Amino acid sequence: QITLKESGPTLVKPTQTLTLTCSVSGFSLSTSGVGVGWIRQAPRKALESLALIYWDDDKLYNPSLKSRLSIRKDNSKNQVVLTMTNMDPVDTGTYYCAHSMGGSPFDPWGQGTLVIVSS
Amino acid sequence: QSVLTQPPSASGTPGQRVTISCSGSSSDIGINTVNWYQHLPGTAPKLLIYGNNNRPSGVPDRFSGSKSGTSASLAISGLQSEDEADYFCAVWDDRLSLYLFGIGTKVTVL
Repeated sequence: QITLKESGPTLVKPTQTLTLTCSVSGFSLSTSGVGVGWIRQAPRKALESLALIYWDDDKLYNPSLKSRLSIRKDNSKNQVVLTMTNMDPVDTGTYYCAHSMGGSPFDPWGQGTLVIVSS
Repeated sequence: QSVLTQPPSASGTPGQRVTISCSGSSSDIGINTVNWYQHLPGTAPKLLIYGNNNRPSGVPDRFSGSKSGTSASLAISGLQSEDEADYFCAVWDDRLSLYLFGIGTKVTVL
């Protein structure tokens, strides 16, 4: 059974850097075709793709946020880490990580972690 | 960033059929398949339909999807109280190289 679980701080201050960890189980991050993506949802807004990392370490970023994002994975720890710099209150929302295989849609997703940006 | 257009809400009585639309463009829905998710607050979104009209194992056949041009639809037939949730569409955007999502449609069972 594939599972993903997000973890990280609930509260960050403006201008700080956010680091989120996605801990996965039931699959290997080095298996050919595997991808793990980060998606967020601000209150009353649509979900927004942030970044995606593939088994071969290929990475895709949302062009509008690319300068602030970095995604990496640790195969031995079964973790995918997302960092977002210069956090702003508009970055408040629920952050999800999700599994993809061979270009298939994200499935399953983690339950999400709430991030509040406030001074 | 572009998002897919969905109606904010839809409702029906038990047993009725409810349809939710998802409108995109030639660079997303027009050329790629559409996926639908069911989302209950505080839980992980659940894949309901993939590849326009395919159901993952375990998803009841009351749920069906279709696509035409740059729009797609999710239909829920025989509406049940447990279907009360948010539903959003998702599609790969070739131009942006990322998934686009609809804002979600809240389905209420009256």
